[in-house]
Amino acid sequence: EVQLLESGGGFVQPGGSLRLSCAASGFTFSSYGMNWVRQAPGKGLEWVAGIRGRDDTTYYADSVKGRFTISRDNSKNTLYLQMNSLRAEDTALYSCAKDRRSGYTYGFSAFDIWGQGTMVTVSS
Amino acid sequence: EIVLTQSPGTLSLSPGEGVTLSCMASQSVSSSYLAWYQHKPGQAPRLLIYGASSRATGIPDRFSGSGSGTDFTLTINRLEPEDFAVYYCQQYITSPQTFGQGTKLEIK
Repeated sequence: EVQLLESGGGFVQPGGSLRLSCAASGFTFSSYGMNWVRQAPGKGLEWVAGIRGRDDTTYYADSVKGRFTISRDNSKNTLYLQMNSLRAEDTALYSCAKDRRSGYTYGFSAFDIWGQGTMVTVSS
Repeated sequence: EIVLTQSPGTLSLSPGEGVTLSCMASQSVSSSYLAWYQHKPGQAPRLLIYGASSRATGIPDRFSGSGSGTDFTLTINRLEPEDFAVYYCQQYITSPQTFGQGTKLEIK
């Protein structure tokens, strides 16, 4: 069964840091691009960051560029999101999501598998 | 950044009815790069449609997508009780990938 399991969320003060993890199973992790998507309380979905499966190229939303870093360890089938300089507006449920297709060279992909998410609360 | 605007914000319908949801893009999106998701409280979002009109694995044929350029629609025929949820469109032709603000389908 294809599965994604996030961990690492919690309560942090403004300016603090957290590292989220997403453990993948049931598919060839290294072949697929992966993404982080967040949902603030009462709000809609917001794509945060993505990393290609082909060459590990990374992409970020403007709201997190320079503060968040997405990375992956294919030997551990794990995706990461390092979050620094956290702000109150980063408070959200963070979910990882798998690209539906692999090996593409143009555009990106829809997300066919999502995790349940891990909650991040930034507050003083 | 491509902005996606979904309408209406909320719809109140009864099981058995049909519905069409709209997603309008601020600039042209190749039809190959538009998706629809269903999201229920406490659950992970579920991919329904990719490439504007292709159903994802296991999605019933009462769900269908269409559109091109800047105007896209998701049609649900004969609503089932489990279809009441929030629906999001997403463009993935360019970064940042963006979602619409969502349309909530609620039971009348």
